[in-house]
Amino acid sequence: DAGVIQSPRHEVTEMGQEVTLRCKPISGHNSLFWYRQTMMRGLELLIYFNNNVPIDDSGMPEDRFSAKMPNASFSTLKIQPSEPRDSAVYFCASSSGQDAGEQYFGPGTRLTVT
Amino acid sequence: AQSVTQLDSQVPVFEEAPVELRCNYSSSVSVYLFWYVQYPNQGLQLLLKYLSGSTLVESINGFEAEFNKSQTSFHLRKPSVHISDTAEYFCAVSVGTNAGKSTFGDGTTLTVKP
Repeated sequence: DAGVIQSPRHEVTEMGQEVTLRCKPISGHNSLFWYRQTMMRGLELLIYFNNNVPIDDSGMPEDRFSAKMPNASFSTLKIQPSEPRDSAVYFCASSSGQDAGEQYFGPGTRLTVT
Repeated sequence: AQSVTQLDSQVPVFEEAPVELRCNYSSSVSVYLFWYVQYPNQGLQLLLKYLSGSTLVESINGFEAEFNKSQTSFHLRKPSVHISDTAEYFCAVSVGTNAGKSTFGDGTTLTVKP
């Protein structure tokens, strides 16, 4: 299996622009997680889905952030409008639910908002 | 709810010395425990896990961790570290429900010096 795939790997954008991050989970996995990692705040869970349904979005920082999972093989995290404080590495992870919660992480998207 | 405390944010150690990274957790129910490793500019990857059975679990690269229920700990150890072990290490706990959601600690940065 190719593992969790994220795109783009790097994104540089200007403040106010819309940013869309993409994730393809491991085939057969039914849970998907979006995390944000910064030096100041560490690793934060933003939202997670189970069977394509959002279960908990309490970690989404504000209304500028939204996430969707239209099918079992694709998810997006959108920031609109973006701000410099959104600069971070965003990780997507998936889990089969059969390994008591073992998660498989993608390589991350490094977002820089200028 | 569960919580994880990694007692050391940074651990510097010389090559070939032993190391212990400490992790304590809090939960009112039975848990599954994980250690993840994050090498520079990469996503997190599973290092080892405790699900049930023997309380001592090992990884393929010489790390081991012991589940201690009475002390609610899951410390990570290696008898002799290498330069290549330099990375950030995350302890995580799952209760096996919540669609595979895990609670992560804040991470410990292990720096191995020559």
